[in-house]
Amino acid sequence: AQSVTQPDIHITVSEGASLELRCNYSYGATPYLFWYVQSPGQGLQLLLKYFSGDTLVQGIKGFEAEFKRSQSSFNLRKPSVHWSDAAEYFCAVGGYSGGYQKVTFGIGTKLQVIP
Amino acid sequence: EADIYQTPRYLVIGTGKKITLECSQTMGHDKMYWYQQDPGMELHLIHYSYGVNSTEKGDLSSESTVSRIRTEHFPLTLESARPSHTSQYLCASSDPGTGTYEQYFGPGTRLTVT
Repeated sequence: AQSVTQPDIHITVSEGASLELRCNYSYGATPYLFWYVQSPGQGLQLLLKYFSGDTLVQGIKGFEAEFKRSQSSFNLRKPSVHWSDAAEYFCAVGGYSGGYQKVTFGIGTKLQVIP
Repeated sequence: EADIYQTPRYLVIGTGKKITLECSQTMGHDKMYWYQQDPGMELHLIHYSYGVNSTEKGDLSSESTVSRIRTEHFPLTLESARPSHTSQYLCASSDPGTGTYEQYFGPGTRLTVT
């Protein structure tokens, strides 16, 4: 069965500081990996995705993520955080589970940005 | 541009009422999903559909039901709302032809049952 672990429930960073959100996944084959962002009262918006190829993927809003197969990780990074980045971030893995295609989400990391 | 709509955005309703949460998408996607989201918890898949007249239950057992009569429309119904149904409900869609599992989400309906 596939699973996603986001070990940090809540992270606080200062505006302008760098950010790294951790994500570890479990899946038997090469996974499809995603990062979504959810602002308060909104749905999920796709930040970036990895399917194959270059293990460093670029997304919207200046975010990037690196796929590391040896560590089963797909950490999200941003070099300089803006106040508008305060939101909840979900890592997700897509694959076959229980005989059908599914996407499994982590529990999310809530990002607080302080001045 | 992904366009998926949910109404109402917020709903406060009394116990025992019947409710329908609407979800529509304009992308022609065959696959649609309903997730339940509680604070501090992962998204739980409660229903999905591969296309018209196809509906399946997801990982999390739910007393709600869904229907898929038109490709673009995937409403969720609760025949008798209870306080335990209080949650945020997210609708999503995807294009299985891409084989990428990428899902597009609506803004959600926050349901409160009093």
